Amino acid sequence: FMLTQPHSVSESPGKTVTISCTRSSGSIASTYVQWYQQRPGSSPTTVIYDDNQRPSGVPDRFSGSIDSSSNSASLTISGLKTEDEADYYCQSYDSTNHGVFGGGTKLSVL
Amino acid sequence: QVQLQESGPGLVKPSQTLSLTCAVSGGSITSGRYYWSWIRQPPGKGLEWIGYIFSTGSTNYSPSLKSRLAISLDSSKNQVSLRLGSVTAADTAVYYCARVDTTIGRYLDYWGHGTLVTVSS
Repeated sequence: FMLTQPHSVSESPGKTVTISCTRSSGSIASTYVQWYQQRPGSSPTTVIYDDNQRPSGVPDRFSGSIDSSSNSASLTISGLKTEDEADYYCQSYDSTNHGVFGGGTKLSVL
Repeated sequence: QVQLQESGPGLVKPSQTLSLTCAVSGGSITSGRYYWSWIRQPPGKGLEWIGYIFSTGSTNYSPSLKSRLAISLDSSKNQVSLRLGSVTAADTAVYYCARVDTTIGRYLDYWGHGTLVTVSS
């Protein structure tokens, strides 16, 4: 299956933005979804795992959810800060435990 | 403090084999709670999952790379290795190693800084 993300989104500081990740086949609920943040020139870091869990140290401005009706996962960032400007990737596993990444979404905070 | 450090040749000729190592500190690669993944990112593009290896040596590879790929463990050096054969320009990418701690989820909780490999004659 494929995970499809919008190429880019933009929003102003202090606002809320949601990035979607649509699964092409199979249920979005069948395997957990992770979200990774990658700032320019840096390695990715996890902001959400297991659909909606935050690793220690990730602020609660970051939240994740899944929606079976649209077969998609979403990453929501509230109270946007300029430091949130980055690329965001969703990731899941297929039925044979192969990893699958979405194409990535560039978030601009301006 | 867990650290992962990738290393290897920055330039590989087409048709040759790309070999990288990931030195792990702050944890044993043979611990049954971890598995070790490789991910790559072509310049200016997105992430691509390559494969992973369990502490037992069992592996799971991307179907698109499986015929050219080998991931292994060197417990004496606490290193994870990647070998990708018959490379082409399409294999040019930053290669990352990363860890999954199965006791807290299946996400990649520690990443190396990545190493750029260019395939060119």
